[in-house]
Amino acid sequence: GDSVTQMEGPVTLSEEAFLTINCTYTATGYPSLFWYVQYPGEGLQLLLKATKADDKGSNKGFEATYRKETTSFHLEKGSVQVSDSAVYFCALSGDYKLSFGAGTTVTVRA
Amino acid sequence: GAGVSQSPRYKVAKRGQDVALRCDPISGHVSLFWYQQALGQGPEFLTYFQNEAQLDKSGLPSDRFFAERPEGSVSTLKIQRTQQEDSAVYLCASSVGTANYGYTFGSGTRLTVV
Repeated sequence: GDSVTQMEGPVTLSEEAFLTINCTYTATGYPSLFWYVQYPGEGLQLLLKATKADDKGSNKGFEATYRKETTSFHLEKGSVQVSDSAVYFCALSGDYKLSFGAGTTVTVRA
Repeated sequence: GAGVSQSPRYKVAKRGQDVALRCDPISGHVSLFWYQQALGQGPEFLTYFQNEAQLDKSGLPSDRFFAERPEGSVSTLKIQRTQQEDSAVYLCASSVGTANYGYTFGSGTRLTVV
């Protein structure tokens, strides 16, 4: 079945550092790929998405490119802020439901 | 409403007790989903409604779990004879269509079974 594997955390960074969270997937067909974020005490929010190969999703300075050849959708941000501290989930959808990775906790220190 | 509303926010149940968790989706969203999120894990799919029809309940872990959406809006997830392994955050999400349109998640109900 469909599955997502993402980089284990926790990840601790200093402000303005570069962030990468690796995500790879296994799926039949051509899934859509997503990154969701969960800030402390809040619900899951869609951060960005890509619906076909070579698409790049971007939002709030975060980017991820749908790489079919490597079955990957790595999340990157060039300069993180303290406010980016959260849990990040990679997810895929082949139809109507989402399959999530286990989540990566990111802490950004001032 | 402006977002997906879930109640209660926290629930403590004694083992063997029945519980009911409520989800109020965004008005007009035809799709409604329930997910279970264990501590330190990603959400796991439980069930899917399109309007009042339950189209997929393959993720419900046992026959103690039951979900309904009788009028195609509010949904209730019921867990009978709760067990300790049912302790988790239960997330509800709604969407205008499939996952590609993007879900809006509620803040969840944290269930603790003691």
